Amino acid sequence: QKEVEQDPGPLSVPEGAIVSLNCTYSNSAFQYFMWYRQYSRKGPELLMYTYSSGNKEDGRFTAQVDKSSKYISLFIRDSQPSDSATYLCAMSYNQGGKLIFGQGTELSVKP
Amino acid sequence: GAVVSQHPSRVICKSGTSVKIECRSLDFQATTMFWYRQFPKKSLMLMATSNEGSKATYEQGVEKDKFLINHASLTLSTLTVTSAHPEDSSFYICSARARGVVSGTSGYEQYFGPGTRLTVT
Repeated sequence: QKEVEQDPGPLSVPEGAIVSLNCTYSNSAFQYFMWYRQYSRKGPELLMYTYSSGNKEDGRFTAQVDKSSKYISLFIRDSQPSDSATYLCAMSYNQGGKLIFGQGTELSVKP
Repeated sequence: GAVVSQHPSRVICKSGTSVKIECRSLDFQATTMFWYRQFPKKSLMLMATSNEGSKATYEQGVEKDKFLINHASLTLSTLTVTSAHPEDSSFYICSARARGVVSGTSGYEQYFGPGTRLTVT
């Protein structure tokens, strides 16, 4: 069993839709959770960095962490074609520690 | 803030030669840099962690004599792929963790470079 599971997609949605991306993990020792966006042939870009269970909002993006279920989500509101990319979840056991990545979900937002 | 560059962005080399990839933090000092490898449609796999002025720590299964890492300063780390073979062809990405807090951050986030596409023929 992988430490972090993420559906690779691809996921295709129409412009303006709400997108829900999810990851599950097996080790309850993970404490810090991140979402990265990666455009084709580019390095990952940090979108959200969270610690505790609950929601964190930044513009059109909301990150949600449910430690009891070992489940994290990223919601994108009013999705745009420019949001088309691969979204990777990542987590670590300690602050600033080694990151364990999910496989990434490929998202396509159609105009 | 928190910009990381990599050079070269793309390199093609012949089997048996060595290739050096540079990773620089442009607007912050990085005490720790990380090197990842990514295969097409696959996740990032951590290869090694390097701290400025000390030896790199390699992940299990990564040959330290093949992938030489040097972190000579707070803004520069290099990865040298020695005696490259076609199976070393991959997308290599570095990340840097800031020394202290970059504006608007907790100080523990990793910032990634744009990656280097290595093709060994």
